Amino acid sequence: EAEVAQSPRYKITEKSQAVAFWCDPISGHATLYWYRQILGQGPELLVQFQDESVVDDSQLPKDRFSAERLKGVDSTLKIQPAELGDSAMYLCASSFHQGGDEQYFGPGTRLTVT
Amino acid sequence: GDSVTQMEGPVTLSEEAFLTINCTYTATGYPSLFWYVQYPGEGLQLLLKATKADDKGSNKGFEATYRKETTSFHLEKGSVQVSDSAVYFCALSGGGGGTSYGKLTFGQGTILTVHP
Repeated sequence: EAEVAQSPRYKITEKSQAVAFWCDPISGHATLYWYRQILGQGPELLVQFQDESVVDDSQLPKDRFSAERLKGVDSTLKIQPAELGDSAMYLCASSFHQGGDEQYFGPGTRLTVT
Repeated sequence: GDSVTQMEGPVTLSEEAFLTINCTYTATGYPSLFWYVQYPGEGLQLLLKATKADDKGSNKGFEATYRKETTSFHLEKGSVQVSDSAVYFCALSGGGGGTSYGKLTFGQGTILTVHP
């Protein structure tokens, strides 16, 4: 069964350092989402891609976060510099196309900033 | 903007008990509604969904009915099992109050623990 892949699964970094997360969506899925899930809360959308284009990055802290999906397939989310408040689970999801379809989630990357 | 409110948890039940997790939403349009489940150490999995008023979503003994008049989508199961222990999230998309179509807006999650 096809799955969304994410790496690393766990990351510990010191504040002010740079960190990057990778996501490989299910083959053929045009829409890719990055969510941040703070402990005890529901996921919140950071950025949404349709193919290689950003559809929504209104909640992405653009002073320190960046995201790209250069060839419209896999995606990288970067944080530079990391802050203590960035400690969270970062979830990647994909869907065949926008709107109404099931989103398939990866296992997530647990980030701890010390 | 769109929002989802879930009943506060955690919820602790004995095996074979009846489960209800309440979920209400606020949206300006006609959203699709979802329940996702997150087992320990895993990503979210879609449990069930409903795309229009009065639709009933069902899966693995769980069910929820889209009630537009009460803006609710409560999750129910007649007899829970230990293996149902997980975090349950209510979510919506396409409500019109978000900035993109397809974006999921989640509730805060409800932790369910089922004891033998």
